Amino acid sequence: DQQVKQNSPSLSVQEGRISILNCDYTNSMFDYFLWYKKYPAEGPTFLISISSIKDKNEDGRFTVFLNKSAKHLSLHIVPSQPGDSAVYFCAASLSLNTGTASKLTFGTGTRLQVTL
Amino acid sequence: DTGVSQDPRHKITKRGQNVTFRCDPISEHNRLYWYRQTLGQGPEFLTYFQNEAQLEKSRLLSDRFSAERPKGSFSTLEIQRTEQGDSAMYLCASSRRTSGRVGEQFFGPGTRLTVL
Repeated sequence: DQQVKQNSPSLSVQEGRISILNCDYTNSMFDYFLWYKKYPAEGPTFLISISSIKDKNEDGRFTVFLNKSAKHLSLHIVPSQPGDSAVYFCAASLSLNTGTASKLTFGTGTRLQVTL
Repeated sequence: DTGVSQDPRHKITKRGQNVTFRCDPISEHNRLYWYRQTLGQGPEFLTYFQNEAQLEKSRLLSDRFSAERPKGSFSTLEIQRTEQGDSAMYLCASSRRTSGRVGEQFFGPGTRLTVL
């Protein structure tokens, strides 16, 4: 049972344009969501996160939007740069108000290619 | 902060052999996690430790898998009687109990296991 889904395996965007990566989840108990970026031969690197009490979080060129009613989140990258080319994973967790999470449930990833 | 390190980076073994991987978390991180990633999938949770206590194990972790974290520092993941289906990237991550960003886990580069 895939609780976190990324239905687009790949996305190609021109440099300078907006990249929008989507993620859907099924478990309504998830209360914290994260995006990780992964380059080949490296481990995932944390990018940005959002708590379920918010609907938007922004960090520089990266913005994450959360729509709890639709169980959907998206990552916007503006403007996209060639160095953003990587695989992006959406992840969800249960913080259970403990201040940290026991585990992350990941989607299958979206490969972003930013072209010149 | 030297990051999470894993050793070895690559391991090729024959079916039926035992293998052991090591993970050194970021110092002062009291939580340590193991994940497994296969081609085209996101990382899947295997187990995690808080200090030296193993608090949760996934049903993915069969009896052939065992993880330890003696003294709450480094951790080892052992796979006995390896099978071809064990071929994957094994990722280690660590986090602090009072991390400013709930759920943020710092990943190591992974150990790629190939079972022939």
